[in-house]
Amino acid sequence: EVQLVESGGGLVKPGGSLTLSCAASGFTFSTYAMNWVRQAPGKGLEWVASISIDSDYKYYADSVSGRFTISRDNAKNSLFLQMNSLRVEDTAIYYCARLPGYGDHGRELDSWGQGTPLTVSS
Amino acid sequence: EIVMTQSPATLSVSPGESATLSCRASQILNTNLAWYQHKPGQAPRLLIYAESIRAPGTPPRFRGSASGTEFTLTITSLQSEDFAVYYCHQYNSWPQAFGPGTTVDLK
Repeated sequence: EVQLVESGGGLVKPGGSLTLSCAASGFTFSTYAMNWVRQAPGKGLEWVASISIDSDYKYYADSVSGRFTISRDNAKNSLFLQMNSLRVEDTAIYYCARLPGYGDHGRELDSWGQGTPLTVSS
Repeated sequence: EIVMTQSPATLSVSPGESATLSCRASQILNTNLAWYQHKPGQAPRLLIYAESIRAPGTPPRFRGSASGTEFTLTITSLQSEDFAVYYCHQYNSWPQAFGPGTTVDLK
C-alpha cells in the first residue's frame, strides 16, 4: 500500500524557518517525481514545488520561489521542503504528493499524504 | 501562466441526482488535466487524469470530458460519499495550477 506521511509542521514566527518531511513507503520512491501542495485555511489547493526523480529538475510557485527549497533522499525514501523567511500567508496544511514519471514535465498527482499543518504567527 | 476557473462554486444536489462541474483553462492543455476529490481532514484523491481517464478505484459514475479549454466532471447518481470539494488541476505547463474548487453539498 502506498503511504506518504508528512511531518515537521508547527508554529513559527514570521521570518522564521522550518523543514517539512515526507516519509514514503509501499512503492519504489526513486522512480517517482514528487510534489508539495498546500491548502491555506478556507482556501483551495495551491501547488508549491516539484522535484524530479534524480533531483535534476526542481520547480517552484512564484509565491515561494527563493524562500523554499524542495529536496529528496532516495536512499531514505524521503522528501523535504525547507522553508525560510516564512510569512503569515504561508500558513496552510502542506501535502506531499506523488506523480508518475521522471518529473521534468507535470503529471497527475496519484497519491497524497494526509498533510502537516504549518502556522506562521507572532 | 495558465489560470484555472471552476463553476459553480457550490452545487447543491440530492442523492441519486447527477452533478455537472465545469472547469475552464486560460490556455490549451493538451489533455493534461486532472480532477481530484477532497473531503475535510482527508488526503485529496485523484479521480480523473488526462481529461477523461478514470484513476484506479474511481467508480464509473465519475466521467471526465473536454471541449477545447472547457472541461467537465459529471457525477451520475450521486452517492452520499460523493459530497466533497472537487478541484481541477492543469499539469500542462509550469507553474502547475489548481482551480478554486467546486463544493458539492447536500440539497
